[in-house]
Amino acid sequence: GAGVSQSPSNKVTEKGKDVELRCDPISGHTALYWYRQRLGQGLEFLIYFQGNSAPDKSGLPSDRFSAERTGESVSTLTIQRTQQEDSAVYLCASSLRTSLGETQYFGPGTRLLVL
Amino acid sequence: AQKVTQAQTEISVVEKEDVTLDCVYETRDTTYYLFWYKQPPSGELVFLIRRNSFDEQNEISGRYSWNFQKSTSSFNFTITASQVVDSAVYFCALSEGELTGGGNKLTFGTGTQLKVEL
Repeated sequence: GAGVSQSPSNKVTEKGKDVELRCDPISGHTALYWYRQRLGQGLEFLIYFQGNSAPDKSGLPSDRFSAERTGESVSTLTIQRTQQEDSAVYLCASSLRTSLGETQYFGPGTRLLVL
Repeated sequence: AQKVTQAQTEISVVEKEDVTLDCVYETRDTTYYLFWYKQPPSGELVFLIRRNSFDEQNEISGRYSWNFQKSTSSFNFTITASQVVDSAVYFCALSEGELTGGGNKLTFGTGTQLKVEL
């Protein structure tokens, strides 16, 4: 079946603009995660959604970052008033459940460049 | 404190050589999971293996093998007879249990860039 998809694949924006990144999880996966990968570094957790429960936002770096998910479908990560340090690859992952140890399957990422 | 350490930033080998990628982790939980992912130049993370903290048996899958040792908090990954297609960044990751409030979010190491040359 189809894997996790993300759009756009690349985004170039000017400092101060808002951007929206989209993630389509694997069908039937109840859990959805967002991670950020800065150049040459590992992934850092941002936020995750588990079904209809309140999301875990503990990884969001500032209040300029927010995310939404409707039910078990698409999620949107929004970055307001972008800064140059927001430049990174934003990766989305989904898993069947949020049980500890559930394997997360990743999308191809959105490469964001803030000029 | 960093919870997953991949001390090898970059490794270069010649094709057909064996190579081991190191991963050391830190957790206070007794229940946790460890993962390895491969990130080829295309950028998409590919799941390789998952291991829970109660299963210390080594695992072999084709040319890949994993050595999990709780005594040294290590989960090392060996590629036997490496090939050019193995060139990628490899990430080790940890998913912790309720004690540390980890839920199922992954903590990643900084990755090891493996270059396999002809």
